[in-house]
Order: sequence, then structure tokens, then C-alpha cells
Amino acid sequence: LAKTTQPISMDSYEGQEVNITCSHNNIATNDYITWYQQFPSQGPRFIIQGYKTKVTNEVASLFIPADRKSSTLSLPRVSLSDTAVYYCLPYGLNDYKLSFGAGTTVTVRA
Amino acid sequence: NAGVTQTPKFQVLKTGQSMTLQCAQDMNHEYMSWYRQDPGMGLRLIHYSVGAGITDQGEVPNGYNVSRSTTEDFPLRLLSAAPSQTSVYFCATATGSQPQHFGDGTRLSIL
Repeated sequence: LAKTTQPISMDSYEGQEVNITCSHNNIATNDYITWYQQFPSQGPRFIIQGYKTKVTNEVASLFIPADRKSSTLSLPRVSLSDTAVYYCLPYGLNDYKLSFGAGTTVTVRA
Repeated sequence: NAGVTQTPKFQVLKTGQSMTLQCAQDMNHEYMSWYRQDPGMGLRLIHYSVGAGITDQGEVPNGYNVSRSTTEDFPLRLLSAAPSQTSVYFCATATGSQPQHFGDGTRLSIL
């Protein structure tokens, strides 16, 4: 399982863009990069997944450089409700054994 | 979380007691798994199953048993609870190349 490194915490204010970078130097060729969000007292929730370049959905964008050794989750114009823990996980298709690190605690202030 | 139901939501046990945590899903997902999450930490995989009748160990399997007799259910058993097993337990399901769906967890305290 590829090891990941993320910042432990990040603070932001409402309306700002939050960018969380995750390092995964030994990611496998076939691995995708997925991001999950976890609110207190809830299970993790899938946000976005990508293999390379850029992926965007209604919640976030994911930027993956050509070497795929890192990825950046971008949360546009955050609100208080975006306060959560965000996890970066390499994910092999049909290899379901996810390896969660401690994640990044994002705190959004008014 | 729609589709993955964990029961109970909370439980307090005494050391040495046994207990089964239930996980049920109605999405016909072949893959199911159990994680534990200790305070301030990420989730660690306990056991998983890729289909009915098939189970395997994850990262931290000691002290836990599982079985998968149906696609829908994947119970986690603690045979003799220990204080070190105090944690929040999450069940997850998946199918094909889709991301995992998690339940809302069972908060377990062992005195």
C-alpha cells in the first residue's frame, strides 16, 4: 500500500479556496487517487477520484501532475460546513484494502 | 448513510464480555469491510470480505472474528472484549471500481 503524507491541519475562512496537497511517492501504476471527507460522528464520504491531470465535480477539483507523486484537492469558496477531516488514499481498482492516514483537519472560520 | 446500516450505534461492555457488531447493506455490493478508528487517527482495516463465504484479515485482525454467510450481512464479533478495543467501528461496502460507502459507525466503550 502506498504511503501518503498530508498536512495535519489547515485553517481557512469562509469564502476562501482551500488546497490540500498529498504526497504519494510510491504510488502504483494502476492506482487511482481518491479523497474522502469525514465529519465528526460520521463515516468517511467519497469526494473525488482521479488518475492524472485534473478532475472536477460539484464539490471539489483534483489536480494530479504528470509524475503522479502528489495530488492536490481544491475546495473552492469554503463554508463553515466544510470543516472536516480530509483523507487522501491511493486506490487500486478492485483492490479494496484502503489505507487511511491521519488525514488533514480543515477548520473553516467565519 | 443510505445503504449501509450499522447497529448498535453505541455500546458499553465490560472486559471479557462478547459482542457482535452488525453491518447490513441493501446495495448488493460484493465487498464489505470493517475498520476501527481511534481518537485523532485514521481508519485501520480489521477484516474484509470479497463475497459471501470469503473473508480475510486486514491490518489489525487480532481479537476479532467475522463471517459472511450472505451478501447483505457482515457481522464483526468480539469474543472477549478488552479495553484496547474501545474505538469507533465503521463498516464499508463497495462494488467494481466504485468508491467505498461507509456506515455511520458503532461507538464501543469497554470498561
